[in-house]
Order: sequence, then C-alpha cells, then structure tokens
Amino acid sequence: EAQVTQNPRYLITVTGKKLTVTCSQNMNHEYMSWYRQDPGLGLRQIYYSMNVEVTDKGDVPEGYKVSRKEKRNFPLILESPSPNQTSLYFCASSSLGGLGLNYGYTFGSGTRLTVV
Amino acid sequence: AQKVTQAQTEISVVEKEDVTLDCVYETRDTTYYLFWYKQPPSGELVFLIRRNSFDEQNEISGRYSWNFQKSTSSFNFTITASQVVDSAVYFCALSFPNTGNQFYFGTGTSLTVIP
Repeated sequence: EAQVTQNPRYLITVTGKKLTVTCSQNMNHEYMSWYRQDPGLGLRQIYYSMNVEVTDKGDVPEGYKVSRKEKRNFPLILESPSPNQTSLYFCASSSLGGLGLNYGYTFGSGTRLTVV
Repeated sequence: AQKVTQAQTEISVVEKEDVTLDCVYETRDTTYYLFWYKQPPSGELVFLIRRNSFDEQNEISGRYSWNFQKSTSSFNFTITASQVVDSAVYFCALSFPNTGNQFYFGTGTSLTVIP
C-alpha cells in the first residue's frame, strides 16, 4: 500500500530534550515536506526537500532541522523543543511531474507533539 | 504575496442539503496549482483534487464538484446531497511549480453535517 509513515503518532516531551519524528514514504516520491497545523492558522510549511541532499526552509523553520540522506526518509529534528512547538505535525510526499509540477501530496497520519 | 482565504470558518448543514465551501486565492503568478484536501475527525489529510491555472474546466466527481474561476480568483467546492461522513475540515491550497513547490494552505472550513 502506498503510504507515508510517521512515527510516533503521539509524543509528550519536556522542554529542551532533543527529539526526532521520523517520516518514510514507499512511493519513490522526489518531494517531501513537513507541516505543522495549529488552530486558526491552517497548515504551515516547516521544511521541504525536492530530492536527496536538497532541503530548503518553508515558512516556519525556526527551531527545526531536517535531513534527506535517502529518498524515502525525511526526519524532523527538534534540537531543543519549546512549548511553542506543541502542535500537530504532518509529513507529506509528492511526485514531481514535468517542469517540477507538484501532483498533490500524500500525507502521513500526523504526530501530535506536546512540549511541557 | 501569495495567499489563500477560506472565509467560512465553520458551516453546519442538515443531511442531504447541498453546501459550497469557498476558496479565494491571491497571486501574481500565471502558473500555479490549486488543491482541496479533506481532514476527517480521525486527523489524516486526504487529497481530493488538483487544478492547474490553465484549466478552468469545472470538475465533478460523484457528489463533489469544483468551480474554478480565474476572473474572481476562486476555487469553490460543492458537496451535493451531503452526508454525515462529509463532516470534516476542508483545506484549500495553492502551489507554485516555478518557486520550489511551496504550498500555501487556507485556514480551513469545518463542515458539520447533521443527521
């Protein structure tokens, strides 16, 4: 089954304790991205990657890191989490068509992170 | 500036009523894509439709239809004969293939279908 797998689904952590949310897709998609969803703000892009070793900042990259060492994996790293990073996080992937056209995302199931 | 506006924060309809979710976007680019996604109570995000800026044909898929009008920068979504399973948050989104495929999402419209 074609899917984007995120882990964990739920995570409660303390301020300052480094954490990684994993994301893996099995569709050989070039494009992967991380979003956070907050009430009233919709989905905001954190980072994206158009291919292996190619990553770039989205709208709200502060406090996050990513890496794309393999095509299928795109982990999100919070080096020193803070309470304002409490949110619902989504990983997404997409195939890029000709001219870099984005054919719509497949999203992971989400990770609900609480930082206390 | 690129922007997507979903002015309707919450909508409630009675089952079998038709409902239209509005989406208005802003861009100066001529090449872009528009999307609708559904987020049911379980939380996952489900792709519904993609439309490119050069194709203004309306589209119908079962009870769902989409009306794309460049003249008013709108990409509205209509559900005909709504059902309880349509209860969800619906997001409209805009992306630009020429600038890194950045996606811009609206803030979502929460639809409740009352049985």
